[in-house]
Amino acid sequence: EAQVTQNPRYLITVTGKKLTVTCSQNMNHEYMSWYRQDPGLGLRQIYYSMNVEVTDKGDVPEGYKVSRKEKRNFPLILESPSPNQTSLYFCASSPRRSDEQYFGPGTRLTVT
Amino acid sequence: GQSLEQPSEVTAVEGAIVQINCTYQTSGFYGLSWYQQHDGGAPTFLSYNALDGLEETGRFSSFLSRSDSYGYLLLQELQMKDSASYFCAVRDLSRDDKIIFGKGTRLHILP
Repeated sequence: EAQVTQNPRYLITVTGKKLTVTCSQNMNHEYMSWYRQDPGLGLRQIYYSMNVEVTDKGDVPEGYKVSRKEKRNFPLILESPSPNQTSLYFCASSPRRSDEQYFGPGTRLTVT
Repeated sequence: GQSLEQPSEVTAVEGAIVQINCTYQTSGFYGLSWYQQHDGGAPTFLSYNALDGLEETGRFSSFLSRSDSYGYLLLQELQMKDSASYFCAVRDLSRDDKIIFGKGTRLHILP
């Protein structure tokens, strides 16, 4: 089944404790992206990648890191999480230059 | 900077037709997409317009006017299951394929 998977689905952590949210897709898509969703603010792009070893900042990259060592995986790293990073995070993928994005199920992160 | 504007909420009656508008401001426009998101779920792709005009997919249609920087999503024969949030989105070619979403329109359907 074609899908985007994210882990964990739920995470409660404390300020400053490094964490990684994994994202994997099995559709051989070139484009992958991370979004955060906050009430009233819609989906905001954090980072995106157009292919292996190519990553670019979205609109809200501060406090986040990503890597794209393999085509299928695009982990999101929070080196030192803060409470303002409490949010719902989505990973998405699409073929290059296609606007039909496939979203993962989401990761709800709480930073206390 | 680039932005997308859409109404925050729309209410309609089951069986009726509703239109959700989206105006955009980007310097490198490629096309307009629409996504649906149910409470607790992930966004799912509905439609995409790169050219002016109407694209129809079952009960859903999407329209684009590039000259007016405007598009809309039209939902016909509304069903209760259409209660969800709807987002328009653009890929901004002037910003290296960055994708920008509107803040979403919450659709309430009354029986």
